[in-house]
Amino acid sequence: EAGVVQSPRYKIIEKKQPVAFWCNPISGHNTLYWYRQNLGQGPELLIRYENEEAVDDSQLPKDRFSAERLKGVDSTLKIQPAELGDSAVYLCASSFAGAGNTIYFGEGSWLTVV
Amino acid sequence: GESVGLHLPTLSVQEGDNSIINCAYSNSASDYFIWYKQESGKGPQFIIDIRSNMDKRQGQRVTVLLNKTVKHLSLQIAATQPGDSAVYFCAENNYGQNFVFGPGTRLSVLP
Repeated sequence: EAGVVQSPRYKIIEKKQPVAFWCNPISGHNTLYWYRQNLGQGPELLIRYENEEAVDDSQLPKDRFSAERLKGVDSTLKIQPAELGDSAVYLCASSFAGAGNTIYFGEGSWLTVV
Repeated sequence: GESVGLHLPTLSVQEGDNSIINCAYSNSASDYFIWYKQESGKGPQFIIDIRSNMDKRQGQRVTVLLNKTVKHLSLQIAATQPGDSAVYFCAENNYGQNFVFGPGTRLSVLP
């Protein structure tokens, strides 16, 4: 069974440019998460979806970050415009039926803003 | 021995020895805990989990211990191998709320 798939794996962009990350969760997992991980730290939640509904986006910087999960399967996270401080790993994860179940991570999208 | 660098505690162990990685969690109401392993350049990988109605759970070469009295979680790795070198994170969950991750511990296995 395929795990959580993310793309691109690596991205280098100049500040003020836009960037988008894509995620396909594990088949059958209706809960999808986007996390940000800074160097030397644990993952921090940006947004959680239950099917196509964003049920927790309280930590998403909405002035420049947006996310969507239109059909309740794959998801896109966008940053526009990117800032130097956005350099981090963006991790997508999924779980079966709700936030209290085991979450499985993708390999991450490694963003460097220069 | 242990040292702190770039916000990340480090544990160094000899190959073949047992490793114990500790985690102090924050919420006394948390009822579900997971340990993840993150190798360089990869995403966190599920290792083992435990619910709050248990105080010990064993997997293959790994054991998780939960002490709810002092809000402490530990991961024991038996016969540590070079492939165990990674950063280990604990994560806690409070009855369906979002998981909260600890800062991580870097395990370095010495030959």
